[in-house]
Amino acid sequence: QSVLTQPPSASGTPGQRVTISCSGSNSNIGNNHVYWYQQLPGAAPKLVIYRSNDRPSGVPDRFSGSKSGTSASLAISGLRSEDEADYYCAAWDDSLSAWVFGGGAKLTVL
Amino acid sequence: QVQLQESGPGLVKPSETLSLTCNVSGASISSYYWSWIRQTPDKGLEWIGQINDSGSPNYNPSLKSRVTMSVDTSMNQFSLRLNSVTAADTAKYYCARHQGAASGWYGWGHGTLVIVSS
Repeated sequence: QSVLTQPPSASGTPGQRVTISCSGSNSNIGNNHVYWYQQLPGAAPKLVIYRSNDRPSGVPDRFSGSKSGTSASLAISGLRSEDEADYYCAAWDDSLSAWVFGGGAKLTVL
Repeated sequence: QVQLQESGPGLVKPSETLSLTCNVSGASISSYYWSWIRQTPDKGLEWIGQINDSGSPNYNPSLKSRVTMSVDTSMNQFSLRLNSVTAADTAKYYCARHQGAASGWYGWGHGTLVIVSS
């Protein structure tokens, strides 16, 4: 059981906007930044959102992040087939003194 | 561009010590903080610990009793030792780079699969 809670799956058709949620608590998301990672099949995770809502250079502006209270969301607009991947959220947990992850959400582009 | 490459045995016997090294290129290892993270199909991603060249390492409390991380600035690499391994330690192990002490990971190695089996 992961400390951060994500839906196991999400889906959308090309061009649509999808959101993936990440729910935590005051000790992690409520008090710290959230990081989002995209993992393509057979590849290492890749940072797509840092500090809750910033986007690294090279990541399309179709990707955006937000945080409110103890929850965070990753939104992908203009969905494309190459966005099909697993998406993980991560945050530092002050109570556990450890970085914690969500269980991952598998995004399917229909 | 900072690149990371994990290396080490792909097979470790139960009760023995897992040892991995992450070679860093494109940046000085003294410039950043570094982590080890592992991934299994059952448990997902698990942070093992982080280190830099000047501070004390910071380990996941759930693994702290078995983990040792170190930095070799002359080789520009850092290492992981996990002792008394069991089948539950079978995983893909990644090394990753933090931007700062309190930041997440901005780059990852490709990962290396370690199987614990006799």
